[in-house]
Amino acid sequence: NAGVMQNPRHLVRRRGQEARLRCSPMKGHSHVYWYRQLPEEGLKFMVYLQKENIIDESGMPKERFSAEFPKEGPSILRIQQVVRGDSAAYFCASSAGAPEGYTFGSGTRLTVV
Amino acid sequence: RKEVEQDPGPFNVPEGATVAFNCTYSNSASQSFFWYRQDCRKEPKLLMSVYSSGNEDGRFTAQLNRASQYISLLIRDSKLSDSATYLCVVPPGGGFKTIFGAGTRLFVKA
Repeated sequence: NAGVMQNPRHLVRRRGQEARLRCSPMKGHSHVYWYRQLPEEGLKFMVYLQKENIIDESGMPKERFSAEFPKEGPSILRIQQVVRGDSAAYFCASSAGAPEGYTFGSGTRLTVV
Repeated sequence: RKEVEQDPGPFNVPEGATVAFNCTYSNSASQSFFWYRQDCRKEPKLLMSVYSSGNEDGRFTAQLNRASQYISLLIRDSKLSDSATYLCVVPPGGGFKTIFGAGTRLFVKA
């Protein structure tokens, strides 16, 4: 069991470019969560998805950010026209559903230059 | 009241000490709770689950007080390797958004 796979581990983008972050959940997990962590801060919920559905996106910025979890393939977090303030670690977690716990991927560290 | 609130840190303790962290939550419908550990620049990892009144695993004990809506984590005989940030996690009870506490930093020194 490979666990939650995130790629890339590190991503550098220039201001105005697009960033695509991928997350493959653990085998058997159909729930995916994305979190953002700024340096020296806690995890902030962004979005919760199940296959082909966005269940809760209350933590997503209204503009430039989108997420999907297609029927086939990984979940994608997409950030358009990145700005310096988007630089952070983005973690994906998956679960089999309540009351199970959450398994995290190693994260993608996005740096916007 | 914040949805999940943890003890402010950092906690600086000597090796061998006993240390306890508290976490209060506002959603009375939540049924299960978790403590995660996060090392610097790494992903959080599950430390303990708390489904009923409490759970014990070696030097670690987690307790749940539903009436007062808080959970606690007790670490006995602290080791240098226990230095990390400890996150309280409250899954939704009727909602969807899992809330992570801001974390409590623990530094164990020799």
